Amino acid sequence: AQKVTQAQTEISVVEKEDVTLDCVYETRDTTYYLFWYKQPPSGELVFLIRRNSFDEQNEISGRYSWNFQKSTSSFNFTITASQVVDSAVYFCALSEEENRDDKIIFGKGTRLHILP
Amino acid sequence: SAVISQKPSRDICQRGTSLTIQCQVDSQVTMMFWYRQQPGQSLTLIATANQGSEATYESGFVIDKFPISRPNLTFSTLTVSNMSPEDSSIYLCSVVWLGQSNEQYFGPGTRLTVT
Repeated sequence: AQKVTQAQTEISVVEKEDVTLDCVYETRDTTYYLFWYKQPPSGELVFLIRRNSFDEQNEISGRYSWNFQKSTSSFNFTITASQVVDSAVYFCALSEEENRDDKIIFGKGTRLHILP
Repeated sequence: SAVISQKPSRDICQRGTSLTIQCQVDSQVTMMFWYRQQPGQSLTLIATANQGSEATYESGFVIDKFPISRPNLTFSTLTVSNMSPEDSSIYLCSVVWLGQSNEQYFGPGTRLTVT
């Protein structure tokens, strides 16, 4: 069965600090996809990244970076030099290829507070 | 870029009534989904909206409570029937764009409060 665990319920950091959001997943499928979404206070869910299970290369996009490690079943998300606008709930999610129905299972989310 | 819109954006309803939420996209999609997000919680999939046929519901959700229609590739509705305060949530539709399998994009959500 597929499962996504975000152990950090809530994190507070001071602006300009770096912060890492943890995500651990479980799946029996060999082909799967991992996602991160951002949900700001407005409520809209913003797609940040998709990573497939065969691509373990880390990715950087501006102040955002993602560290995918299959050996530990983790897909962690780091924000460098955090800003107040980064305050949001961040969801990690998983989709299994064998389902062929594009269904996504979400973690419980991590609420990130960036303090000015 | 392609747009997903939902109507209404928010509503306050009385218990026992029903509310229909619309999801409209401006490009062709392969899949459409409806999610519920209860206050302070994660997203839970309600159902997959199938074009021209009955939706596929997840465990714990039934058609009588959450009837869904999808008459064409770009439009779907979710009705929350016989509402109770426990139905107060954000309801979101999501889509998979044609040619972009395994990536879901979400509408802005409908914030429902039942009194």
